[in-house]
Amino acid sequence: EVVMTQSPVTLSVSPGETATLSCRASHRIFSNLAWYQHKPGQAPRLLIYAASIRATGIPGRIYGGGSETEFTLTITNVQSEDVAIYYCHQYTEWPRTFGQGTRLDIK
Amino acid sequence: QLAESGGGLVKPGGSLRLSCGASGFTFSNYPMNWVRQTPEKGLEWVSFIDSGSKYIYYADSVRGRFTVSRDNAKNSVYLQMNNLRAEDTAVYHCVREEVGSFDFWGQGTLVSVSS
Repeated sequence: EVVMTQSPVTLSVSPGETATLSCRASHRIFSNLAWYQHKPGQAPRLLIYAASIRATGIPGRIYGGGSETEFTLTITNVQSEDVAIYYCHQYTEWPRTFGQGTRLDIK
Repeated sequence: QLAESGGGLVKPGGSLRLSCGASGFTFSNYPMNWVRQTPEKGLEWVSFIDSGSKYIYYADSVRGRFTVSRDNAKNSVYLQMNNLRAEDTAVYHCVREEVGSFDFWGQGTLVSVSS
């Protein structure tokens, strides 16, 4: 099983600053990685797939990078609407696995 | 749109059948997944079924107890859950898959397993 490890567990940034979230895979997963945003009471939303491709409707201030085992999600000009838990997810191997999540708060 | 139903409160060892109805897209073209969510564990993938029901996969934690199926004529996917345990308590989401990533999620249905 590919273990996905996210860091930090919680990230607190001021409005307008940049948030950088990390995700590490225990095995090589090439670019088969997605990022999701999950707000309380809502369904999770796909942000990024194939490590760096934005999903439909996702603003340009949110972008993903990395490959093999190290990945990042960057959110520039952080706004109150970005408060959520963010998960990475690998789809190279079965079982599909998620990271434990990074909670993004606003200072 | 994806709309789950069938959740509820059940005793340990009991059974539930979740349903998910799809609309707004050609359901028969897409693989589907079930993913569950808890505050403690976050998101956990449960099961996959491809568009033609030929390939089916399960998480180790549910294999042998859960069965996924679909009916493309009814635009629906199902999750039969037997021998339920307290650790199966979660919100269960029906999720559409597009080239591996989960591009569309239902709101979820709550399953509570408790005596």
